[in-house]
Amino acid sequence: DGGITQSPKYLFRKEGQNVTLSCEQNLNHDAMYWYRQDPGQGLRLIYYSQIVNDFQKGDIAEGYSVSREKKESFPLTVTSAQKNPTAFYLCASSPHGTPDNSPLHFGNGTRLTVT
Amino acid sequence: GQQVMQIPQYQHVQEGEDFTTYCNSSTTLSNIQWYKQRPGGHPVFLIQLVKSGEVKKQKRLTFQFGEAKKNSSLHITATQTTDVGTYFCAGTGGGNKLTFGTGTQLKVEL
Repeated sequence: DGGITQSPKYLFRKEGQNVTLSCEQNLNHDAMYWYRQDPGQGLRLIYYSQIVNDFQKGDIAEGYSVSREKKESFPLTVTSAQKNPTAFYLCASSPHGTPDNSPLHFGNGTRLTVT
Repeated sequence: GQQVMQIPQYQHVQEGEDFTTYCNSSTTLSNIQWYKQRPGGHPVFLIQLVKSGEVKKQKRLTFQFGEAKKNSSLHITATQTTDVGTYFCAGTGGGNKLTFGTGTQLKVEL
């Protein structure tokens, strides 16, 4: 079955530590995205990539970093500079990026808790 | 920047009652998408509307895109417990940027 795999499902870290969230897709999609979801705030875009070795900042990129070395993989690092890292992180992909705006396919998400 | 608001934020209904969520954008949209997120799950794409005044139906769900392409609605007829979840709209505005609405959480009671 084709899909998007995010791991782990739950992640706990101490404040001050960097942590990397994994996202892998086997849908052969060009574009990949990272969203953050907080209660009552919908989904906010962190970073997106429309092609390998290229990515752009979204609305809330501060304190995060990404890489896109392979088409299938788009890991997200939450750095110690992110002020409020505890959240539900969703990875998504679409066949093409803008301006096509094809529908997004989401992974199951990673719930990160930083104490 | 582009803002997409949804109302209401929460809605409790009795099974069998109808439900509507409204999506309003601060800018004109080229298209609008709707997603459903079950409790503890991830958003799942439902539909995309592109044309001004467009209406699409999926069984008990009716989606509308406003004439001015700045608002949209999702109406569910005769809700069932399987309809429980949060419904998000997501609109594409200037710069081809997709912006998600704040979501409407639907609870259905027997």
